Amino acid sequence: SQQGEEDPQALSIQEGENATMNCSYKTSINNLQWYRQNSGRGLVHLILIRSNEREKHSGRLRVTLDTSKKSSSLLITASRAADTASYFCATTGRSGGSYIPTFGRGTSLIVHP
Amino acid sequence: DVKVTQSSRYLVKRTGEKVFLECVQDMDHENMFWYRQDPGLGLRLIYFSYDVKMKEKGDIPEGYSVSREKKERFSLILESASTNQTSMYLCASSLGGGYSNQPQHFGDGTRLSIL
Repeated sequence: SQQGEEDPQALSIQEGENATMNCSYKTSINNLQWYRQNSGRGLVHLILIRSNEREKHSGRLRVTLDTSKKSSSLLITASRAADTASYFCATTGRSGGSYIPTFGRGTSLIVHP
Repeated sequence: DVKVTQSSRYLVKRTGEKVFLECVQDMDHENMFWYRQDPGLGLRLIYFSYDVKMKEKGDIPEGYSVSREKKERFSLILESASTNQTSMYLCASSLGGGYSNQPQHFGDGTRLSIL
C-alpha cells in the first residue's frame, strides 16, 4: 500500500534555481527518507529524518518534516543539470521483525543547463 | 560502500517460462527486498526477507516466490512468466535486527520483458 505521495509529479527548472518537492502521508511514521533515481538506475539514499526531528541538511539538500501536517519537503538549492532525476519519499511501516519503507510515486525533476 | 548486484540489467523471456532474478549484497545486511517499478505506480514491494530462510509477502506477491539460502543472496522467481510481469525489478538490502532507521541500498535493476 502506498503511504507517501510526492508533489508535484514533474518539475522543470533552470540551472541555479532552487527545486522544492513535497511529500504527504496518511498515518504516523517512525521516519521519512528521500531517495534519488537517475534514469535506468537504482535508487540512491539521500537523507533520513526521524519523526522527532524538524529539519535536516546535507550539502545542498534541506529536508523538513511537519508531523502535525503529515508532510515533508525536500529543497535542492542552486540546482545543477546533474540533479536531473526522479525523487522519492519513503515512510516506514512495520512487518515481521523489521521496518519496511513504503515509497511514493516520485517527482521527476529536470534541470536545464 | 555497500554494493548490491543484480545478475542481469536486461532480460527477455517467453510467457510460461520459469524466470530467476538473482541479487547479491556484500555488506552482511540482514534485510533484503524485491520491488517492481512501473510507470505511474512507483515502487511496489513483492517480497522481503529479514534473515536466511525467512521471507514475508509484500504488497504484490501473486505470481512470485523467493529464496534466501545464504545471507548475501536473495532470488526472485517468476513461477510461470506472464506478459503483465514485464517491468523493472529492483533489489535492495538494509541492516536489520529491528533497526528502523537504516537506509536501503539498491541494485541497478533488471528490466524484464515477457514476450
